[in-house]
Amino acid sequence: DVKVTQSSRYLVKRTGEKVFLECVQDMDHENMFWYRQDPGLGLRLIYFSYDVKMKEKGDIPEGYSVSREKKERFSLILESASTNQTSMYLCASSRQGAGEQYFGPGTRLTVT
Amino acid sequence: GENVEQHPSTLSVQEGDSAVIKCTYSDSASNYFPWYKQELGKRPQLIIDIRSNVGEKKDQRIAVTLNKTAKHFSLHITETQPEDSAVYFCAASKGAGSYQLTFGKGTKLSVIP
Repeated sequence: DVKVTQSSRYLVKRTGEKVFLECVQDMDHENMFWYRQDPGLGLRLIYFSYDVKMKEKGDIPEGYSVSREKKERFSLILESASTNQTSMYLCASSRQGAGEQYFGPGTRLTVT
Repeated sequence: GENVEQHPSTLSVQEGDSAVIKCTYSDSASNYFPWYKQELGKRPQLIIDIRSNVGEKKDQRIAVTLNKTAKHFSLHITETQPEDSAVYFCAASKGAGSYQLTFGKGTKLSVIP
């Protein structure tokens, strides 16, 4: 049974703070993804990684960075949080060459 | 890049009726089309997918059809039940390597008992 876990379910941060969101998967998946989900906008890809230390920009990378030092862990970093980054953040993982993505439970981030 | 349009944004049906959700995509190189279901407060989960070498795929009460020429694909749910109530997302991918997905904006389906 695939498990994707995220470090927090709810997070409240102040404008300008540096924010770390962590995602861990236990299925030895090569690919990991970070999305943000906003009402009426669906899921939008922020960054993804296909291997340790490798990363690719998604559709909305501005204001975010990522880190993947170990295969099972993928971190999303907000260097200086802003109110327009208030959102639900979803992590996902998948096996290389396979389409199905397994999602984490999400982190609802509020920036005040 | 790829653009996926999904319609309708909301859909209400009576229990037992059928529901159809439609998506169009822009990149003719896309060849993998999954559908995800997200129940309230839960994570999205894959319910069915189709590849471009197939025109239709069924799994019990759900089916997906693909028209490559028109670049659109649809989700069909028959004999709807209250537990089908959720937000459904379509997506498209070029199906290579990391299978990066571009999602539609979602359809909120409500099944009225």
